[in-house]
Amino acid sequence: DTAVSQTPKYLVTQMGNDKSIKCEQNLGHDTMYWYKQDSKKFLKIMFSYNNKELIINETVPNRFSPKSPDKAHLNLHINSLELGDSAVYFCASSPLPTGGGDIQYFGAGTRLSVL
Amino acid sequence: GNSVTQMEGPVTLSEEAFLTINCTYTATGYPSLFWYVQYPGEGLQLLLKATKADDKGSNKGFEATYRKETTSFHLEKGSVQVSDSAVYFCALRRQGAQKLVFGQGTRLTINP
Repeated sequence: DTAVSQTPKYLVTQMGNDKSIKCEQNLGHDTMYWYKQDSKKFLKIMFSYNNKELIINETVPNRFSPKSPDKAHLNLHINSLELGDSAVYFCASSPLPTGGGDIQYFGAGTRLSVL
Repeated sequence: GNSVTQMEGPVTLSEEAFLTINCTYTATGYPSLFWYVQYPGEGLQLLLKATKADDKGSNKGFEATYRKETTSFHLEKGSVQVSDSAVYFCALRRQGAQKLVFGQGTRLTINP
């Protein structure tokens, strides 16, 4: 039973298209996140939701729009895809929004390639 | 701002060798420090953590000590196995903050 699952695992698409990545967690956590890992392997947070409410929104183009229909799901929709959006996107969840030693649980990642 | 710097990879070792992956950080106050591991085809998993100075995190034979004076959290293991081959990420979270700040990851390959 996968705790944090993302779909699809791979996504290849043309510039200008709109695509979505889905994320679901079955851990009963209140908080979910999206991270982007660039070609140099740096992982940076994009968004965080707590109980369907947006609490972190880093400097991300507004072509990226997260949607949380319920606290177990946090989907990422990307409009007008650009070459620079090619990366691996990770979803994560944690029990609480804050806490010094709080653990985040990650999905396996979605590799997006924009051609 | 807050940042984490890890040693550049890839790192290739033979089985039973001693492993050190360096990690230094820049942060205000007393952040919590973490090592995450990503095995091939899987998501990141927490390997170990330390929440205050001089704490030692340990798991699966790996250890890291929170060194405030050198702002470091180096990962060590005395005898690596082929199954330790993975990408290792050092990360911090500032007190009271929610987001994790990651280093760039270090790919480790262990040869039999």
